[in-house]
Amino acid sequence: DTEVTQTPKHLVMGMTNKKSLKCEQHMGHRAMYWYKQKAKKPPELMFVYSYEKLSINESVPSRFSPECPNSSLLNLHLHALQPEDSALYLCASSQEVRHNEQFFGPGTRLTVL
Amino acid sequence: QKEVEQNSGPLSVPEGAIASLNCTYSDRVSQSFFWYRQYSGKSPELIMSIYSNGDKEDGRFTAQLNKASQYVSLLIRDSQPSDSATYLCAVNTYTGTASKLTFGTGTRLQVTL
Repeated sequence: DTEVTQTPKHLVMGMTNKKSLKCEQHMGHRAMYWYKQKAKKPPELMFVYSYEKLSINESVPSRFSPECPNSSLLNLHLHALQPEDSALYLCASSQEVRHNEQFFGPGTRLTVL
Repeated sequence: QKEVEQNSGPLSVPEGAIASLNCTYSDRVSQSFFWYRQYSGKSPELIMSIYSNGDKEDGRFTAQLNKASQYVSLLIRDSQPSDSATYLCAVNTYTGTASKLTFGTGTRLQVTL
């Protein structure tokens, strides 16, 4: 299995809602990542988990809260988002950190009303 | 500020021609280099990884790395309309404790009939 899966594919939420994005991989990868991508821009790193521990937080606002329940799962909890947070949210994983060959999931298209 | 520079394009090539995509990076300690293909509305797909100077070939794709010149390129032979996409160059820097990919802004390739 060489796939990273993400759910849901699309999400529409209001600014007062709480929702979660989920990511799963069964490749035995020990590093997992959350990215945000706006239209016509490259992916922008948000968080890195290495061996289930948060190793990088790119100064992301606290309304985004990551969680890594185990080595295969990565969640991103969303609360009190703003319309400008609307974007494609991408999860990726890599087998090891040194070369960091990352494989991306299909993404969740988030719209904040 | 670590930077990865790409020409945004569009780069237009006729079907069957060679497409040449270029990327320069600023951080001399970068060790790993990747090319991703991204179709509109989809997630990035890893197509080439290269870690040492020289050429690496995979099917119609050849990646070239010159660390002295801080330059990475991707050649696509026998270009097909299905190759029309945005190509993202990504550079990895590993500090011993953490690893981070920096993406270029992407080059949009159009293969014309």
